[in-house]
Amino acid sequence: GDSVTQMEGPVTLSEEAFLTINCTYTATGYPSLFWYVQYPGEGLQLLLKATKADDKGSNKGFEATYRKETTSFHLEKGSVQVSDSAVYFCALSDPTDKLIFGTGTRLQVFP
Amino acid sequence: DARVTQTPRDKVTEMGQEVTMRCQPILGHNTVFWYRQTMMQGLELLAYFRNRAPLDDSGMPKDRFSAEMPDATLATLKIQPSEPRDSAVYFCASGPGTQGVDTQYFGPGTRLTVL
Repeated sequence: GDSVTQMEGPVTLSEEAFLTINCTYTATGYPSLFWYVQYPGEGLQLLLKATKADDKGSNKGFEATYRKETTSFHLEKGSVQVSDSAVYFCALSDPTDKLIFGTGTRLQVFP
Repeated sequence: DARVTQTPRDKVTEMGQEVTMRCQPILGHNTVFWYRQTMMQGLELLAYFRNRAPLDDSGMPKDRFSAEMPDATLATLKIQPSEPRDSAVYFCASGPGTQGVDTQYFGPGTRLTVL
């Protein structure tokens, strides 16, 4: 079945460092891909999404490109802030609108 | 700014008691999802509905959990009887039902503690 694999966390960075969180997927069709973010004590929020191959999703300085050839959707940000500390979830949508989530990657940014 | 709302936000109960969690999806959304989040298991899909009809509840322990949508503005998740292993944060999410490209909008969650 469809699945999502994310890098293990936590990822610990200093403020202004470059961020990459890896995400790869397995799917039989052509899913949409998502990154959700969960801040402490809150529900998940959509961060960005891409609906077809080579699309780039972007929001709040974060970017991810839908790479069909490598089945990847890696999350990147050029300069992280302390306020970016959260758990990041990669997900894909199956044809029935269910989201298949990865296990989440905790990001900790220190001043 | 339309949001998914959930009540209660926190619930502490004793083993064996009935627990009911409520969710109000975003107006106009026709898919509703219930998730459970724990440190050990991560985020698990328990059940989901389209146009109020249950489509998949395979993630839910059938003997004690039940999920319903009495109307388009209310979804409920009930646990009877509750057990300590049910302690978790339960999230409701809704979506517009555009197949294959949907964004799900999550509520703030209900933190359940069963003693």
